[in-house]
Amino acid sequence: DAGITQSPRYKITETGRQVTLMCHQTWSHSYMFWYRQDLGHGLRLIYYSAAADITDKGEVPDGYVVSRSKTENFPLTLESATRSQTSVYFCATGTFEQYFGPGTRLTVT
Amino acid sequence: QKEVEQNSGPLSVPEGAIASLNCTYSDRGSQSFFWYRQYSGKSPELIMFIYSNGDKEDGRFTAQLNKASQYVSLLIRDSQPSDSATYLCAVIPGGFGNEKLTFGTGTRLTIIP
Repeated sequence: DAGITQSPRYKITETGRQVTLMCHQTWSHSYMFWYRQDLGHGLRLIYYSAAADITDKGEVPDGYVVSRSKTENFPLTLESATRSQTSVYFCATGTFEQYFGPGTRLTVT
Repeated sequence: QKEVEQNSGPLSVPEGAIASLNCTYSDRGSQSFFWYRQYSGKSPELIMFIYSNGDKEDGRFTAQLNKASQYVSLLIRDSQPSDSATYLCAVIPGGFGNEKLTFGTGTRLTIIP
């Protein structure tokens, strides 16, 4: 029972392509979050979800789309990847205390 | 002004000494405060949280909160080389009912054997 998993762990894609990062949790937590982590900026919230079918924007939502049809899954889609979206992406879950997945390192060439 | 500020370091501390990590926040209504540890190439790991003014101890770690000064700190006693990591301060601004964390950029701590 891994708790929270992310896939893929590493991804290289080209500018303009669509990319989906997956996040899965086994704890049945209501809240799920997507962050990106970049040098000099720390962790920044992209989108979050309070429950299935309820999502809201965070600090840096532009260029990203999320959905949450099931409590346990929270995919993040880059509709048309740009080089500025090269980053490490973390999914997290929990209420108040958040627990992070292992991350996805995405490179956009 | 950033909502959560930390000295980026690096902070170097001899093994066995006390490491002191500091964080200030701008939203006076904040109620929940968290410390995460992040090893290089790994994901953040929650090590402590504190909600009330004063000190909270957990093993070698002590979190201190001073809401009047808008200041939260983390003390690590008997520092070990395995404590070398980046420490992230996080705050839930705006009081209870808001689940979104705002993170500082982290302080890199190095424990010197």
